[in-house]
Amino acid sequence: DAMVIQNPRYQVTQFGKPVTLSCSQTLNHNVMYWYQQKSSQAPKLLFHYYDKDFNNEADTPDNFQSRRPNTSFCFLDIRSPGLGDAAMYLCATSVGQGDTEAFFGQGTRLTVV
Amino acid sequence: GESVGLHLPTLSVQEGDNSIINCAYSNSASDYFIWYKQESGKGPQFIIDIRSNMDKRQGQRVTVLLNKTVKHLSLQIAATQPGDSAVYFCAENRGPAASYDKVIFGPGTSLSVIP
Repeated sequence: DAMVIQNPRYQVTQFGKPVTLSCSQTLNHNVMYWYQQKSSQAPKLLFHYYDKDFNNEADTPDNFQSRRPNTSFCFLDIRSPGLGDAAMYLCATSVGQGDTEAFFGQGTRLTVV
Repeated sequence: GESVGLHLPTLSVQEGDNSIINCAYSNSASDYFIWYKQESGKGPQFIIDIRSNMDKRQGQRVTVLLNKTVKHLSLQIAATQPGDSAVYFCAENRGPAASYDKVIFGPGTSLSVIP
């Protein structure tokens, strides 16, 4: 009964080659988040959608884009991955009332070669 | 800038002892706080939460304390077990509104339980 599903769990991409990570949810939550987590660090919020409204964090590089075609799916596009983009990418959802937790997927581990 | 941070990056405790993990936050407007547990290779898992109108909340073996005066919260784990070994993050949700409804993480504490 997985609620936030990320595919694939492991992704290897070439330096500079566009890559897309996928996330789906069965919770019907309004908010979907993308976080980047590097080794021994906290998850860092890249951006989030509140329904169809896209909210970018000020320090998120332009190299990172996102799409949310419907309530259930959200994608993270990395246009030109660099070695520094190797990380765990976490997708999460929340109801969107400001006083509820975020539910996380298991993450996608991205390797850039 | 605004941040949620931790006092101790690592914590080692003996099995059966109580653990206390601390967290400081700087945004006085934050009104909801969450503790997450993250095991290696997995996504963060919800442990317990607390709203800003509360000082204390208890769950099964865990207690969260919130001191709004000094912008500090803590997670207490009673009778720590080897399965509690993980990284613990405090996080805050800054309130409902399209741009504000987001969960921001502190730097984390790695808890190691000694059998």
